[in-house]
Amino acid sequence: SAVISQKPSRDICQRGTSLTIQCQVDSQVTMMFWYRQQPGQSLTLIATANQGSEATYESGFVIDKFPISRPNLTFSTLTVSNMSPEDSSIYLCSVLEQGYEQYFGPGTRLTVT
Amino acid sequence: DQQVKQNSPSLSVQEGRISILNCDYTNSMFDYFLWYKKYPAEGPTFLISISSIKDKNEDGRFTVFLNKSAKHLSLHIVPSQPGDSAVYFCAASDWNSGGSNYKLTFGKGTLLTVNP
Repeated sequence: SAVISQKPSRDICQRGTSLTIQCQVDSQVTMMFWYRQQPGQSLTLIATANQGSEATYESGFVIDKFPISRPNLTFSTLTVSNMSPEDSSIYLCSVLEQGYEQYFGPGTRLTVT
Repeated sequence: DQQVKQNSPSLSVQEGRISILNCDYTNSMFDYFLWYKKYPAEGPTFLISISSIKDKNEDGRFTVFLNKSAKHLSLHIVPSQPGDSAVYFCAASDWNSGGSNYKLTFGKGTLLTVNP
């Protein structure tokens, strides 16, 4: 399976600031995804990042708050904008392989104070 | 509305015994189901999956059973090992039913502890 890395692995940020999370894959993939796992909750899909087109956002998530870039088939970024303590979560990128299975990066643990 | 439910937040078993993790779903459009394992400070790791056209899939110590009429699936781990201690997530998709963007819907997870 693809090897996925994320930067940063964790960060503590102040309210009102923004953080950009990077996701790098060691092979070309068509579909990349961004998820959020809030404390004690399940993983929730934020958006699908497609190369060459705008990301597709799930209900409850908007581009102004979570802008996504996908400049090529191996890289994507997720920005968490104008952060509040409610944005404290683990943010994960994943890629689609084998037709159906998604493989995840190690995650970025974000704490907003 | 939680479409994928894992009603047991935690499970504790003895090494060598069977671990059974359960998952229920409400959306009849789901047609593909996956189990992931997650260690602290790591991303979820894909374990095993099953299509809705099957009722069982086996991979080594891991077996997933699907009961479509009951909208229930379970993951069996035999024999359980201390290294299996992790959070296990059940996930579902409706890809073949015309779902768009291949969305995975996850349960909240079950913490499995395997005691030596």
